[in-house]
Amino acid sequence: DSGVTQTPKHLITATGQRVTLRCSPRSGDLSVYWYQQSLDQGLQFLIQYYNGEERAKGNILERFSAQQFPDLHSELNLSSLELGDSALYFCASSRRVGGNEQFFGPGTRLTVL
Amino acid sequence: AQSVSQHNHHVILSEAASLELGCNYSYGGTVNLFWYVQYPGQHLQLLLKYFSGDPLVKGIKGFEAEFIKSKFSFNLRKPSVQWSDTAEYFCAVNTGGFKTIFGAGTRLFVKA
Repeated sequence: DSGVTQTPKHLITATGQRVTLRCSPRSGDLSVYWYQQSLDQGLQFLIQYYNGEERAKGNILERFSAQQFPDLHSELNLSSLELGDSALYFCASSRRVGGNEQFFGPGTRLTVL
Repeated sequence: AQSVSQHNHHVILSEAASLELGCNYSYGGTVNLFWYVQYPGQHLQLLLKYFSGDPLVKGIKGFEAEFIKSKFSFNLRKPSVQWSDTAEYFCAVNTGGFKTIFGAGTRLFVKA
């Protein structure tokens, strides 16, 4: 158990819908990262927040957005969902902004039908 | 742009065989280096990391990795693999900025 929690564990929805994935970092960690893992694309970095502010952006689609709240939990919002958005979405946290190790959550498996 | 290359996408070994997974990165400055492992159905977890000092780093479960600066490499090794080492292995590099770049991963299958 890494100390990072993610909800829900599984999510099944239809194309065109919008979903919100939730992540709570380890106690004391200020950075939160979001990743998408699919069979064809591998592990893709989406976005990073540090203490409520966006700090780095990766291959995140415009239909996706995220935020980190004052209590440091983070949400990833995925809208206008397409079949290709089906994937495992991991959240990770770390103590500082960058450079140190990341602790990964168990992931949310999103299935878009 | 900075990148991380893992040359082997799939590796199949028999138990007790030796393992070496390659990782190369493209960046000329100071780096922090990581190997993560993802067991089937689980999340990524840290195997080992290198920040500075001895370039030969020992991690959990008998894994080690060697940082060779001149070759921009951080290869993962294990002298004798076990069936339980079946997993996907990710090399990751941080160049001091906000982003850590992950390689595409190497899927290791160990035959019992």
